[in-house]
Amino acid sequence: DAGVTQSPTHLIKTRGQQVTLRCSPKSGHDTVSWYQQALGQGPQFIFQYYEEEERQRGNFPDRFSGHQFPNYSSELNVNALLLGDSALYLCASSRGGQGRYEQYFGPGTRLTVT
Amino acid sequence: AQSVAQPEDQVNVAEGNPLTVKCTYSVSGNPYLFWYVQYPNRGLQFLLKYITGDNLVKGSYGFEAEFNKSQTSFHLKKPSALVSDSALYFCAVRDGDDKIIFGKGTRLHILP
Repeated sequence: DAGVTQSPTHLIKTRGQQVTLRCSPKSGHDTVSWYQQALGQGPQFIFQYYEEEERQRGNFPDRFSGHQFPNYSSELNVNALLLGDSALYLCASSRGGQGRYEQYFGPGTRLTVT
Repeated sequence: AQSVAQPEDQVNVAEGNPLTVKCTYSVSGNPYLFWYVQYPNRGLQFLLKYITGDNLVKGSYGFEAEFNKSQTSFHLKKPSALVSDSALYFCAVRDGDDKIIFGKGTRLHILP
């Protein structure tokens, strides 16, 4: 049983460009959450998708957008990249869309913006 | 504002000694509390959670955590530390909007 997978592993982009990160949830999970983890910090919640809709959103600008597909996989899109967007982006999956269930995290995508 | 605090950036413990990693929270309503561990260049791994019931929660790898409502704390503990426990530990709480808020993390060093 595959866990949460993310692609790509690493990515280098230039300021102003756009990037798409991908996530496949753990089998049996229908909820996907995205987090940004800056160096030396805890993960910061970006948004959560359940039933193909954005259910919750953290304090991130509209440059950050996402999508969930019928097979529960998800994408995170970031437009007009800034140097400050450099971070580890983590995807987490869980069941039921409720906060009572533990999340399973992928290994992350390391984004570097130059 | 709902939040979680990990007051120690780093905790050093000798191998074989008991360890405690501290966490306090501020959330309206009944808290859902979690501990996760992160090894270098890896995603977070779930250790344990408190939703309701017994205040002492047992989790993976011999870890446990004690929920204390009056002190709004959820400290992570282990009776005997192993060198392999060295990692970054995160406490997390579900807020009233069903979002998960993470603390800044505590780096645990187990000294051989």
